[in-house]
Amino acid sequence: ETGVTQSPTHLIKTRGQQVTLRCSSQSGHNTVSWYQQALGQGPQFIFQYYREEENGRGNFPPRFSGLQFPNYSSELNVNALELDDSALYLCASTRRDELYGYTFGSGTRLTVV
Amino acid sequence: DQQVKQNSPSLSVQEGRISILNCDYTNSMFDYFLWYKKYPAEGPTFLISISSIKDKNEDGRFTVFLNKSAKHLSLHIVPSQPGDSAVYFCAASALGNTPLVFGKGTRLSVIA
Repeated sequence: ETGVTQSPTHLIKTRGQQVTLRCSSQSGHNTVSWYQQALGQGPQFIFQYYREEENGRGNFPPRFSGLQFPNYSSELNVNALELDDSALYLCASTRRDELYGYTFGSGTRLTVV
Repeated sequence: DQQVKQNSPSLSVQEGRISILNCDYTNSMFDYFLWYKKYPAEGPTFLISISSIKDKNEDGRFTVFLNKSAKHLSLHIVPSQPGDSAVYFCAASALGNTPLVFGKGTRLSVIA
């Protein structure tokens, strides 16, 4: 059983640019959530996808968007990057009927300069 | 407004002794609580959880206690081992498949 894989592991972008982060969910999982973990903070919920549709969203602006594909993998897109977007982005997958069985990936460390 | 608070950023404990990590919450709708452990360069891994209908849950060296009236939970690790050194996050969720709300974490160092 493979876990959650995220790519890339590290990324440096310039303010104003756009970025796409990728996540392959654990085998058998159909729900994907994205979290942002800023330095010294706990992970903050960005949004969740189920059946290729957004199924809940945290307090993040519309320039944070996502996709879920038929194979349950997912992308997080961030437009017009700001310095404060520098953070660790975590993807977590679970089965819809397993409410709290989240498996997290190792994250993508995004640095905006 | 932080709904889940871990007021101790760090904790240092000697090997073999008890580690107690604390967590407070403000949202009375939370009914499920989880502890995650995070090593550097890895994602959080699930450690132990507790439902609001219980006041204690035990799994090996790890025990979580929940005091609903005080809106407080704690994680006890006995005996502490050097491999337990990590950042521990408390997380909570309300009824249904709502997203996890995390605290800021407590860095535990277990000294040999």
